[in-house]
Amino acid sequence: DAGITQSPRHKVTETGTPVTLRCHQTENHRYMYWYRQDPGHGLRLIHYSYGVKDTDKGEVSDGYSVSRSKTEDFLLTLESATSSQTSVYFCAISESGEHGYTFGSGTRLTVV
Amino acid sequence: DQQVKQNSPSLSVQEGRISILNCDYTNSMFDYFLWYKKYPAEGPTFLISISSIKDKNEDGRFTVFLNKSAKHLSLHIVPSQPGDSAVYFCAASGRGSSNTGKLIFGQGTTLQVKP
Repeated sequence: DAGITQSPRHKVTETGTPVTLRCHQTENHRYMYWYRQDPGHGLRLIHYSYGVKDTDKGEVSDGYSVSRSKTEDFLLTLESATSSQTSVYFCAISESGEHGYTFGSGTRLTVV
Repeated sequence: DQQVKQNSPSLSVQEGRISILNCDYTNSMFDYFLWYKKYPAEGPTFLISISSIKDKNEDGRFTVFLNKSAKHLSLHIVPSQPGDSAVYFCAASGRGSSNTGKLIFGQGTTLQVKP
């Protein structure tokens, strides 16, 4: 309803395999963000984008890369998944980079 | 180093009473503060915000108070309803040198409102 979709919603993968999560928006917002949610840590920023092909690191970026080739898509890649990357991943969008975000419904990733 | 802290992991209140959720921050560059609410298996949703030029913002049953000198904000819910049971995240942003809208979140407080 908010024009942001994350896929897949759930994924189980093996240690050492690459994984890509997708965030798709239909709002034409400039800013997109990837967060992970873990107990006791709240939401922590992994990477963010402030335009097509413009991305930057957040506070927990090690082991992750991102790409944004189109305004509507922001991809998060785990190059070689580890058990410490088991988490719930949220994508968020923002029109102006100010004030509040709109979040997606999340992707629950389990690395076994 | 946690720049935004919610020191109470959980809070339980009776329906109809006031819920007070607290949040502390350390970075004096923060100038905008937000509260998000999250239900299980859903993404967080924006609840209420406050700019650092204000000390209070009210929206219906929800009021956020900001004490800049103490680097403390609180969310008051009056009266509390069972549907308010959720995880509440405090978040902060600062303009700094790049206005990219990055939000720094606290750990979250789980509110349970008992009927």
